[in-house]
Amino acid sequence: AQRVTQPEKLLSVFKGAPVELKCNYSYSGSPELFWYVQYSRQRLQLLLRHISRESIKGFTADLNKGETSFHLKKPFAQEEDSAMYYCALEHSGYALNFGKGTSLLVTP
Amino acid sequence: NAGVTQTPKFQVLKTGQSMTLQCAQDMNHEYMSWYRQDPGMGLRLIHYSVGAGITDQGEVPNGYNVSRSTTEDFPLRLLSAAPSQTSVYFCASSSRDISYEQYFGPGTRLTVT
Repeated sequence: AQRVTQPEKLLSVFKGAPVELKCNYSYSGSPELFWYVQYSRQRLQLLLRHISRESIKGFTADLNKGETSFHLKKPFAQEEDSAMYYCALEHSGYALNFGKGTSLLVTP
Repeated sequence: NAGVTQTPKFQVLKTGQSMTLQCAQDMNHEYMSWYRQDPGMGLRLIHYSVGAGITDQGEVPNGYNVSRSTTEDFPLRLLSAAPSQTSVYFCASSSRDISYEQYFGPGTRLTVT
């Protein structure tokens, strides 16, 4: 069965510190993985997807098939990064399986 | 483009009442889906559609109905509201032309008393 696990409900870091939001998945095929972000009172928006290998707002994520992980990283957190982050796995191409989310709080 | 729109933004229902949450998209996406967002639970898929006239159940379909008569619209019906359906509901659309990136609506915050 497909499953996405985000082990941390809340992650609090100081501004300028490195950030890593963890995501592990279970999937029998070749996964399509995403990170979505939801800023306060806004709609979810795509942050990045593994297939594009882009860096968005300083965030990167590498797919590690051996560890079945897709952790989100940023070397220097900013206060504006405070948001809810969801890792998601493609569900047959037309919907997503989401993790439970990690709330990132960046304090000055 | 308005993208994905949802109405209403907020709604309060009494137990047993019925209502329809509206969702529309103007991007000609073939796929549309409904999720509910609950604290500590993330987003869970309720129903989805791969095209007009085709719908299927997601992870938590009980108590909800959907239909897709046009490409643009994908309403979600609550037949007899229950307090357990208090949640934030998000509609999303996607297309193979954009590698299935999901575009989300602003959400509907529903409270059932």
